[in-house]
Amino acid sequence: QLQLQESGPGLVKPSETLSLTCTVSGASISSSSYYWGWIRQPPGKGLEWIGSIYYSGTTYYNPSLKSRVTISVDTSKNQFSLKLSSVTAADTAVYYCARRDSSEGYPTFDHWGQGTLVTVSS
Amino acid sequence: EIVMTQSPATLSVSPGERATLSCRASQSVSFNLAWYQQKPGQAPRLLIYGASNRATGVPATFSGSGSGTEFTLTISSLQSEDFAVYFCQHYNNWPPGYTFGQGTKLEIK
Repeated sequence: QLQLQESGPGLVKPSETLSLTCTVSGASISSSSYYWGWIRQPPGKGLEWIGSIYYSGTTYYNPSLKSRVTISVDTSKNQFSLKLSSVTAADTAVYYCARRDSSEGYPTFDHWGQGTLVTVSS
Repeated sequence: EIVMTQSPATLSVSPGERATLSCRASQSVSFNLAWYQQKPGQAPRLLIYGASNRATGVPATFSGSGSGTEFTLTISSLQSEDFAVYFCQHYNNWPPGYTFGQGTKLEIK
């Protein structure tokens, strides 16, 4: 059974870099069928896609966050990671990792981690 | 950039009745539209992809329709576990990216 689990600090200071890791179990992150992504949700608000990565390292990012985002993959650990630099209070959110499936021709996020709340505060 | 607009923001419906949620795209997205359900404290769950296809394990009480710019999620005979927030999502082929609607909260009347 596929599971995704986010991990990382729950509190980050303004201007610093937010770092999260998603550990995938029950499936190989190196599968050619899937991309892996990060989505966030500020408290009480909607969902915002941050970016996605393929096991080969190919990435694409939300243009609104691109200058601050780096997503990487470690296939040996079956993990992928998010770094968001120069954070402000506006980056406070629940951060989700998810698997992107397009096997039916329509890219969707079919499996999600439980999410982790990251608060930006001094 | 394609903007996804959901309506209404909040929908109050009695258990056993039908709920109809709308999602409008600022330009045509063909059938590239998905719906997700999110309950408090939980991650979103994929319900519908390709505008009208139910994801694995989704009951037949959920149905999606529409194409182009107008889409509908219908939940027939609402059960207590169906009261949640629903998001629509579009995938853009180029530049690649995902856009979510702002959500509709389905609450018990």
